Amino acid sequence: DQQVKQNSPSLSVQEGRISILNCDYTNSMFDYFLWYKKYPAEGPTFLISISSIKDKNEDGRFTVFLNKSAKHLSLHIVPSQPGDSAVYFCAASQGGTSYGKLTFGQGTILTVHP
Amino acid sequence: EAGVAQSPRYKIIEKRQSVAFWCNPISGHATLYWYQQILGQGPKLLIQFQNNGVVDDSQLPKDRFSAERLKGVDSTLKIQPAKLEDSAVYLCASSAGSTTEQYFGPGTRLTVT
Repeated sequence: DQQVKQNSPSLSVQEGRISILNCDYTNSMFDYFLWYKKYPAEGPTFLISISSIKDKNEDGRFTVFLNKSAKHLSLHIVPSQPGDSAVYFCAASQGGTSYGKLTFGQGTILTVHP
Repeated sequence: EAGVAQSPRYKIIEKRQSVAFWCNPISGHATLYWYQQILGQGPKLLIQFQNNGVVDDSQLPKDRFSAERLKGVDSTLKIQPAKLEDSAVYLCASSAGSTTEQYFGPGTRLTVT
């Protein structure tokens, strides 16, 4: 039962353009969503998060959008840079005692070409 | 601030052997997690500690996997005996406990032959 899905295994973008990574979830109890970035041979690094009471959160070049009715979130990177090339995971959690328990998607490999 | 440390970074064992991984979380972080990441998949939570108590081990295969966190700091994850399907990267993460943001170590890549 895959509760968090990233249906695009890979994405290729030109430097300077926008990268849009998508994530869908099925569990309506999820109320906090995160994006992590992972370089080879390193652990995932927290990038940006959003609470279910918001529909947008922005941090520099990174913006996360949440559509609760569609159970869909997306990460926008503008402008994309070659250093953004990595695997991006979306993750979700529930409040209460499960607040720290994250359910991850399969990941999307982003390649930004110079 | 030092990050989450893990060792070893790589381990190759034969099936039915045992193996142990070590994790040292960020200083002061009360919550510690072990994840298993199989190639092509996202990390899957195996066990979560709050200080030295287990909060969630619902996805830990308890017939072969065990974990402990003595004195609420370092943690070890053990597999005994290992199976081929245990080949994965084992990630340790820690958090302050009051936030969801988790900080991950570099992981241990286990290959079972």
